[in-house]
Amino acid sequence: EAGVAQSPRYKIIEKRQSVAFWCNPISGHATLYWYQQILGQGPKLLIQFQNNGVVDDSQLPKDRFSAERLKGVDSTLKIQPAKLEDSAVYLCASSSGSSSGGDTQYFGPGTRLTVL
Amino acid sequence: AQSVTQLDSQVPVFEEAPVELRCNYSSSVSVYLFWYVQYPNQGLQLLLKYLSGSTLVKGINGFEAEFNKSQTSFHLRKPSVHISDTAEYFCAVSEAKTSYDKVIFGPGTSLSVIP
Repeated sequence: EAGVAQSPRYKIIEKRQSVAFWCNPISGHATLYWYQQILGQGPKLLIQFQNNGVVDDSQLPKDRFSAERLKGVDSTLKIQPAKLEDSAVYLCASSSGSSSGGDTQYFGPGTRLTVL
Repeated sequence: AQSVTQLDSQVPVFEEAPVELRCNYSSSVSVYLFWYVQYPNQGLQLLLKYLSGSTLVKGINGFEAEFNKSQTSFHLRKPSVHISDTAEYFCAVSEAKTSYDKVIFGPGTSLSVIP
């Protein structure tokens, strides 16, 4: 079974530029998550999709971050314009989305973003 | 809202010695609890989780954790560590019986195994 795929693995941009990350979850997984992991901290949820609908985006800085999950499969996360404090690893995860809860999340390798 | 505390940011331990990584949570409702491990330059992977039932949970790579409701803790243990256990360990919590899983991660504990 293929895991969660993310691209690119690394990205370096200047502040005020835009950047986009792509995620392809495990086939059949209904729930998709984007996390921001700043060095030395735990992952922080940015946005959570159930199929192609958003169930939680309370910590997404909506003035600069956007995300979509077309057709309930792969997803893109965009930052426009980037700030220095956006330097972090962006993790994508997916889970089966069972109604009973407590699902295991499967993580991709992440995209390391450096904003100069 | 739930939260997770991992009091030890770094834990050095000699190879073949036992280790305990501490995790405490706060929540006003029933919870699910998780331990994830992140090896260098890799994504996170599940070590073990507690959903219900037996409070002692066994996971991969010889790790186990015990859920203690009265102390709101979910400490991770291994009786004998290997060099390959060097990694970042994250405790996480989500509230049970909600419409969707919202998982909150702790800040992580860096385990360094010394040869």
